[in-house]
Amino acid sequence: QKEVEQNSGPLSVPEGAIASLNCTYSDRVSQSFFWYRQYSGKSPELIMSIYSNGDKEDGRFTAQLNKASQYVSLLIRDSQPSDSATYLCAVKIPGNQFYFGTGTSLTVIP
Amino acid sequence: EAGVVQSPRYKIIEKKQPVAFWCNPISGHNTLYWYRQNLGQGPELLIRYENEEAVDDSQLPKDRFSAERLKGVDSTLKIQPAELGDSAVYLCASSLRQTNSPLHFGNGTRLTVT
Repeated sequence: QKEVEQNSGPLSVPEGAIASLNCTYSDRVSQSFFWYRQYSGKSPELIMSIYSNGDKEDGRFTAQLNKASQYVSLLIRDSQPSDSATYLCAVKIPGNQFYFGTGTSLTVIP
Repeated sequence: EAGVVQSPRYKIIEKKQPVAFWCNPISGHNTLYWYRQNLGQGPELLIRYENEEAVDDSQLPKDRFSAERLKGVDSTLKIQPAELGDSAVYLCASSLRQTNSPLHFGNGTRLTVT
């Protein structure tokens, strides 16, 4: 069983819509959760981090964490074509270890 | 704050040739990671250093890959000899040891083995 699972997509949404990206993880000792955005040919860029249950909002981005369900999600409101990228979910466990999902490819259609 | 610096950005070599990648982490970051990322996949850990000690190298193909982090700062990852299947992006990242500290990635090195 993979440590971190994401739907690979591709996910397509029209401009201005809400994009919803989901991630599940298997290790119950997971401590911190991160979303990275990766444009084609570029390296991953941190866009959101969340550590406790509930929602965390930053501009058009909202991260949601439910530790009981071992589920973390990212909502992108008012999606823009510039949001088109692959979104990687990352989980940090004790010992400074990170596990990544395979990424969800998002396309925002103008 | 300067980010993680990697070089070279691109490298094309023939199979069986050696290749080396260099990484300078963010100043003060104790932990340094080398990841390999294949197209359409998430990054996969090759080796993790805490200061100068390699604490997780279980996924490093030790028959051909080697790494070092002298003085606990810069790091070098080497492949010798390279194989066609080594073509990938090699990412260096660093972080602080704190629980909520994220990974910060360098720009990566895209390796093509022909």
